[in-house]
Formats: sequence, structure tokens, C-alpha cells
Amino acid sequence: DTEVTQTPKHLVMGMTNKKSLKCEQHMGHRAMYWYKQKAKKPPELMFVYSYEKLSINESVPSRFSPECPNSSLLNLHLHALQPEDSALYLCASSQVLGLPYNEQFFGPGTRLTVL
Amino acid sequence: SQQGEEDPQALSIQEGENATMNCSYKTSINNLQWYRQNSGRGLVHLILIRSNEREKHSGRLRVTLDTSKKSSSLLITASRAADTASYFCAPRENAGGTSYGKLTFGQGTILTVHP
Repeated sequence: DTEVTQTPKHLVMGMTNKKSLKCEQHMGHRAMYWYKQKAKKPPELMFVYSYEKLSINESVPSRFSPECPNSSLLNLHLHALQPEDSALYLCASSQVLGLPYNEQFFGPGTRLTVL
Repeated sequence: SQQGEEDPQALSIQEGENATMNCSYKTSINNLQWYRQNSGRGLVHLILIRSNEREKHSGRLRVTLDTSKKSSSLLITASRAADTASYFCAPRENAGGTSYGKLTFGQGTILTVHP
């Protein structure tokens, strides 16, 4: 199974809502990533988990809270978001963080709209 | 950080023609990867070329790397309508010190192949 799944596909939320994005992979990968992608822009790295521990936080605002409950799951908890946070949120995984020749496997993304 | 710059930003061709996209980067790399993204979807890894390689083929894809010029190109031969997508280069910096060898995506080239 070389698939990364993400739920939901679409999410509309108000600025006072709390919601969560979910990502799952069963490839035995130990590195997992959250990216944010605005329209017509490249993906921008937000967070990296390695062996279920947060390794990289690219200065992301605290209204985004990642969580890695186990080696297959990655969540992104959202609270008090702003309209400018509307974007495509992509999850990715790779074998191990730091290996140079690893490719990243991406999920299809969650299209988030903040009203 | 190491971000690729791609050229052209957009490319429109007829089915059967070849498509060439170029990527330039700034500092030394361990490898360079190319990804494809269909509209509003996740990224798919296409090919990886190591810093000590000059050319690599995969099906209809040909990638070149010139480390002296810090540039790479992706050639898609005999293009098909299904090749319509955004293509991103991702230079993979050398890991060292506090760096884990971050993958940073270029701005991308939007390829449209007309039937």
C-alpha cells in the first residue's frame, strides 16, 4: 500500500470553530509532514514528525496544532483560524527523516475554507 | 533555504510535442527531485537525480543536472493531454549541522497539453 489518505477532502469552518485534519499511511514510514499550499503557489512546509516526535516547526502560528498519535496517523488541529488560512493542506510521508534519497509520498489534500 | 526557481511559469503545447521545464537553484545539493501535481491534488514523485549524476531517464521523462550551473531540466517527450499538470522541482539540500536536508519546492511550471 503506497497511499497516503487524508480526511476530510473539503472543510469549511468559521473563525471560532475547532476542527481537525487527519492523515494516515501504512507504508511503515517514520517521517510525516504537513504542508500548506495557496493557489498557484508551491507547497510550504509547516511541520515535520520523526518517530512520532515533532522535529520541525516552521514558525507556524499556534492556532495550528499538530499531533502524531502513532506511527501511522498524523492530525492537524485547527482553532481560531483566519480567512487567510484558507488553503490546500497536504500531508506527506517518507521512510526516515534525513535520508537523502527519500521521496515523499503525498496525500490528496484537504481543501480548507475559513469564513 | 534552497528553493528552486522554475522557467517557464507556464507552457502550452500540442499533444505529441515535447515539453521542457528548467529549474535553477542557489547552493550545493545532495539531489534534485521533480514532482507533478494535478489540479488541486497531492504531489506525485516523478524522478530523483543525484548530485553526481548528469542525466536520468524514466519512461518518457528525461532529467538533466548541471551542478556547475546549478540547474536542472525536465523533458517530457511525446506529450499527452494527461500530462497536463503543474511540475515542481525540489532541490534537496545537503544535511549538516541543524539541517535535516530540507526539501523546498520551486514555484512550478504549469503545463497544458492540448489534444
